[in-house]
Amino acid sequence: KQEVTQIPAALSVPEGENLVLNCSFTDSAIYNLQWFRQDPGKGLTSLLLIQSSQREQTSGRLNASLDKSSGRSTLYIAASQPGDSATYLCAGRGGSNYKLTFGKGTLLTVNP
Amino acid sequence: NAGVTQTPKFRILKIGQSMTLQCTQDMNHNYMYWYRQDPGMGLKLIYYSVGAGITDKGEVPNGYNVSRSTTEDFPLRLELAAPSQTSVYFCASSLDARSYEQYFGPGTRLTVT
Repeated sequence: KQEVTQIPAALSVPEGENLVLNCSFTDSAIYNLQWFRQDPGKGLTSLLLIQSSQREQTSGRLNASLDKSSGRSTLYIAASQPGDSATYLCAGRGGSNYKLTFGKGTLLTVNP
Repeated sequence: NAGVTQTPKFRILKIGQSMTLQCTQDMNHNYMYWYRQDPGMGLKLIYYSVGAGITDKGEVPNGYNVSRSTTEDFPLRLELAAPSQTSVYFCASSLDARSYEQYFGPGTRLTVT
């Protein structure tokens, strides 16, 4: 059974800092991995989807990597801004059942 | 495109009452999903559907029912509400089960007292 872990649970950084959010998963037969952003009281917004055949995906200041062999994905945020403050969730799609398994998220606070 | 819409946004139910959470998507997606999110926890899959007329259980289906009569709509029914069903419910959709992103609605915050 796939388990997804996100560490740390919360992170506070000053504006302008580059940062990395971590996501680890137990089943290396992962099909793809999706990163989401969730603002307080809101739904999930998809940020990046990275397929198992890819090493990384980029969108603006965001870069996600996927390493199946080590069971890790990272979300890199460059030049962080206060508007980046949110909870970031990663979710892995299993190779056998294609269902998303979510981590509990990392609450990011970017201080002006 | 409105994407995935959910109604209501908020609801308070008494124990034993029933209600239907509505979900509609206008992206012509075959796959639709219902999740619940409890504080400090990841999202758990309740039910999903691979197309009109086809539904299947997820991780936490007990106490819920679904139907899928059209491609666009995927309502979630709570028959006998219990305090353990207090949660935020999200509906999502995707073009297929494998390669494409899931798109989420804004959620319904349900309290059962």
